[in-house]
Amino acid sequence: KNQVEQSPQSLIILEGKNCTLQCNYTVSPFSNLRWYKQDTGRGPVSLTIMTFSENTKSNGRYTATLDADTKQSSLHITASQLSDSASYICVVRGTYKYIFGTGTRLKVLA
Amino acid sequence: DTAVSQTPKYLVTQMGNDKSIKCEQNLGHDTMYWYKQDSKKFLKIMFSYNNKELIINETVPNRFSPKSPDKAHLNLHINSLELGDSAVYFCASSQDKTNRIPPLHFGNGTRLTVT
Repeated sequence: KNQVEQSPQSLIILEGKNCTLQCNYTVSPFSNLRWYKQDTGRGPVSLTIMTFSENTKSNGRYTATLDADTKQSSLHITASQLSDSASYICVVRGTYKYIFGTGTRLKVLA
Repeated sequence: DTAVSQTPKYLVTQMGNDKSIKCEQNLGHDTMYWYKQDSKKFLKIMFSYNNKELIINETVPNRFSPKSPDKAHLNLHINSLELGDSAVYFCASSQDKTNRIPPLHFGNGTRLTVT
């Protein structure tokens, strides 16, 4: 069964600290994996895409990794800011469908 | 100049009523979607339209009917609303290409509350 699981479910950190969010998937065949950020009351916005051949990709303070063998991805946020408070959703693309994870709710405190 | 816009943003109605949610995208994309986000924030696809044709229809009640008058619009009609229909509904669009799968562009959601 195609599934995407994320951990932790929620996370609270202090401003300036780093954090790592995890995504495990069982989607097959695998096309790509994206991390989305969803601010409260808004729709998700794509942060980064990982294809099968990519291991690491950075987008500012966000760094995503992908291990296609173990079917795991992580999103590392460096020097967190208050504006990073949001839900982060891992989405895996199969042949024709997007499979969504349940998300990690991140709260950054001053 | 919102890329994907939904109306209304909030919708409160009583059980048994019929309501519609409108979605428009000005990105020139050829594929549009409707997603339902439940109270646990889980996004689940309902429908997908490509060039005005239905290509994905997940197991949603037939009380839900999408209508695509043209490539830029995908409206969602819901008949005989039930309490369990309360959720946030997101419209999205994408432009699938043969050698690259682009991101989904989401609207800001419509929060439907059925009382």
